[in-house]
Order: sequence, then structure tokens, then C-alpha cells
Amino acid sequence: AQSVTQPDIHITVSEGASLELRCNYSYGATPYLFWYVQSPGQGLQLLLKYFSGDTLVQGIKGFEAEFKRSQSSFNLRKPSVHWSDAAEYFCAVGTEFYSSASKIIFGSGTRLSIRP
Amino acid sequence: DADVTQTPRNRITKTGKRIMLECSQTKGHDRMYWYRQDPGLGLRLIYYSFDVKDINKGEISDGYSVSRQAQAKFSLSLESAIPNQTALYFCATRAEDEQFFGPGTRLTVL
Repeated sequence: AQSVTQPDIHITVSEGASLELRCNYSYGATPYLFWYVQSPGQGLQLLLKYFSGDTLVQGIKGFEAEFKRSQSSFNLRKPSVHWSDAAEYFCAVGTEFYSSASKIIFGSGTRLSIRP
Repeated sequence: DADVTQTPRNRITKTGKRIMLECSQTKGHDRMYWYRQDPGLGLRLIYYSFDVKDINKGEISDGYSVSRQAQAKFSLSLESAIPNQTALYFCATRAEDEQFFGPGTRLTVL
């Protein structure tokens, strides 16, 4: 069965500093990988996704993530954070879409705070 | 109009009551999902469905049941609500490369 680990529960960074949020997954085949953001009181918004091709993917709001198969990781990065990036971030792994058990499993989330 | 809608958006109920959360979608997707979100636990999968006749249990199905009335509708029921089912519930559909989430239903069980 697939699983997702986000080892950092809460991270605080200064505005303008760089950011990296960690995500490790467990899945036997090539996964579908996602990062979602949830602002306070809001639903989930897709930041970026990977399921084939270039292992460095670009998303919205200046975010990027790199798929590293050897490390089973899909870390999210941003070179310079803005106060509006304060939110909770979820990594997710999906199984093969056409399999009989196609599902997407989420990590427990990382809450990002921005220091002025 | 939103592609995935959930009703109600907020609900307060009492222990032992039966409650149904409804989800409708206009995206035409076969795959639909119910998750619950709790602080520090992320989103956990309750049930998922690939079509009207295909229902599957997720990680935490105990205490819940679902009904897929049509391709566009997927309902979640709590037969006898208990306080630890207080949570934010999300419905979602899936295309191959993305899930589309509803706005969530905040359920409080007293």
C-alpha cells in the first residue's frame, strides 16, 4: 500500500527567504505525485503535479518540486516566500489511474508560518 | 458554478443521530472520493467509488457508509454519529492527473 510522510509538522521562515518542504512516499510503482495548499478556512488548491517526464516540475505561485526516485522524495521549493504563502501544505501520492484500486493518499501536512 | 458541490456546508448534530452529507459534481468523472480532515492528520480516505456499482473502503471506513446514486452524486452517511467524527469532510472527483475538491462540510457532533 502507498503512504506519504511529511516529516515537518510546522515550519517558520522569514519573508523573502527560501523554502523547502519535505515529502517522502512509499509506493511500488511509478507514482502520481501532487502538492496541494490549503489557506486558513479554505479548500485545497493544486500547486503542482508529477506523473511522468521531467522530474523538476513547475507549479503555480512560483513553487517547484523535484521527483527523486532514488530517494522516494518529492520536495516542494520556493526561492523567496511571501507573507501570503502562509498556509498548510499537503503532499499526496496517487496510484495508477486505471488500476482497480486507483486512489490518492495524503500526507499529514506541513503548516508554514511566515516571519515578517 | 462550482464543479464539485457539497451540502450542507456546516452541520451540528447530536450523538446517535443519523446524518447524510451529499456531494454532486458536474465534471463527468467516474471516480469520486470522501475524505475527512483532522488537525495534524491530513486528509484520510473514507470511501471511494469508480462507478455506481463499484464502492471501495478507504483507510477509515468504520462508522461510515456511502451511496453512489448516479455518476454525479456520492453521499456519505453516519448511521449513528459520535463526537470523534467531528471533522471537516471533503468530497473529490479524479481525472487522471488531478483531483477536484468540493468546498468541504464542517461537521460537529455534540
